[in-house]
Amino acid sequence: EDKVVQSPLSLVVHEGDTVTLNCSYEVTNFRSLLWYKQEKKAPTFLFMLTSSGIEKKSGRLSSILDKKELSSILNITATQTGDSAIYLCAVRGGIQGAQKLVFGQGTRLTINP
Amino acid sequence: EAGVTQFPSHSVIEKGQTVTLRCDPISGHDNLYWYRRVMGKEIKFLLHFVKESKQDESGMPNNRFLAERTGGTYSTLKVQPAELEDSGVYFCASSQEKQPNYGYTFGSGTRLTVV
Repeated sequence: EDKVVQSPLSLVVHEGDTVTLNCSYEVTNFRSLLWYKQEKKAPTFLFMLTSSGIEKKSGRLSSILDKKELSSILNITATQTGDSAIYLCAVRGGIQGAQKLVFGQGTRLTINP
Repeated sequence: EAGVTQFPSHSVIEKGQTVTLRCDPISGHDNLYWYRRVMGKEIKFLLHFVKESKQDESGMPNNRFLAERTGGTYSTLKVQPAELEDSGVYFCASSQEKQPNYGYTFGSGTRLTVV
């Protein structure tokens, strides 16, 4: 069965710190890995990664995929209180044309002022 | 552009009753998905529509759940009769057919509580 595991499950840091969130996966026919940020309601899309070793970057957030290690990391530098959220990792795999995402449990990140 | 809209945002029903959740995807999005998060667990896939056709319903838990997407626009997810274990947050998401590798856009979810 396809599986996605995130670590840590919970993280509390001070504003200005840098954090690294981890995601590992076991899926059949890997196609892509996605990161989402969930604050109060809808998960919002951050990154989609398909190629190993190519960093995706958006402001203070960046992510990279390691297909050999079947994992990805999400980095957030100079954290702000607005970064407090649940960060979700999801992987798409399976047969050609399959679209469903397999999610990890999420990492609950809390940034204290 | 309007996002994915879900209605209601909250629903509390008694065991044995029927509830219907609605999802309006982003206009023009052919792909529509239903996901569910039960307490303490990860978000799990329920099913996937392409226009009005069910492409993949492998995640539907049992025959008490019925999803429809008549006309290929909005979708409904009916739970009949509801059981206590059906409680959770039901998310809908949509994406464009021609951009299957784009990150799906999620709705805010419907929090269902069965008592």
